[in-house]
Amino acid sequence: DAKTTQPNSMESNEEEPVHLPCNHSTISGTDYIHWYRQLPSQGPEYVIHGLTSNVNNRMASLAIAEDRKSSTLILHRATLRDAAVYYCILGLWNSGNTPLVFGKGTRLSVIA
Amino acid sequence: DGGITQSPKYLFRKEGQNVTLSCEQNLNHDAMYWYRQDPGQGLRLIYYSQIVNDFQKGDIAEGYSVSREKKESFPLTVTSAQKNPTAFYLCASSLPGHFSATFGSGTRLTVV
Repeated sequence: DAKTTQPNSMESNEEEPVHLPCNHSTISGTDYIHWYRQLPSQGPEYVIHGLTSNVNNRMASLAIAEDRKSSTLILHRATLRDAAVYYCILGLWNSGNTPLVFGKGTRLSVIA
Repeated sequence: DGGITQSPKYLFRKEGQNVTLSCEQNLNHDAMYWYRQDPGQGLRLIYYSQIVNDFQKGDIAEGYSVSREKKESFPLTVTSAQKNPTAFYLCASSLPGHFSATFGSGTRLTVV
């Protein structure tokens, strides 16, 4: 499986933007970039995914480098409820039934 | 509302006893998955099933067993052969062509 590298932890002030980086230098042409987050004592939840172009949804934005070897999840205004572990995962384009492979993710702390 | 139900939320068992964790979904998803999470770690895949009456081993299947007799249900049995069963267990499901998997809220198993 293609591998991703994320910082172990990051900290943000409340209501500030947060940029969570992910390196995936061995990404293949058919790999989508997925982001999930896991709140304390809960199961992960889907945040966003993309292939080549930047993507926006109600939760976050995903900025993908032109060479696709890195990406950044952007939370535009961090709230205390955004404190979670964020996972960057690579998967095939039609991988609806292919298991997601999780790394350790980035633990985001939000300071009031 | 559609979703995945894992029960119970907390489970205590004596060492040497088998225990079955329940996972039920009403999302009409074809594929279901079981993950294990240890403190401070990412999720590791135990078993997955892409269709009824079929399942595949994940990375850490030893000491676990599953069945998939109905589309809605994918119970996981933690057997006495599992050396370190105390962990947080997460069930998930997904649909072909969809980019997001849905997770349950987990079962925290403690073996004493």
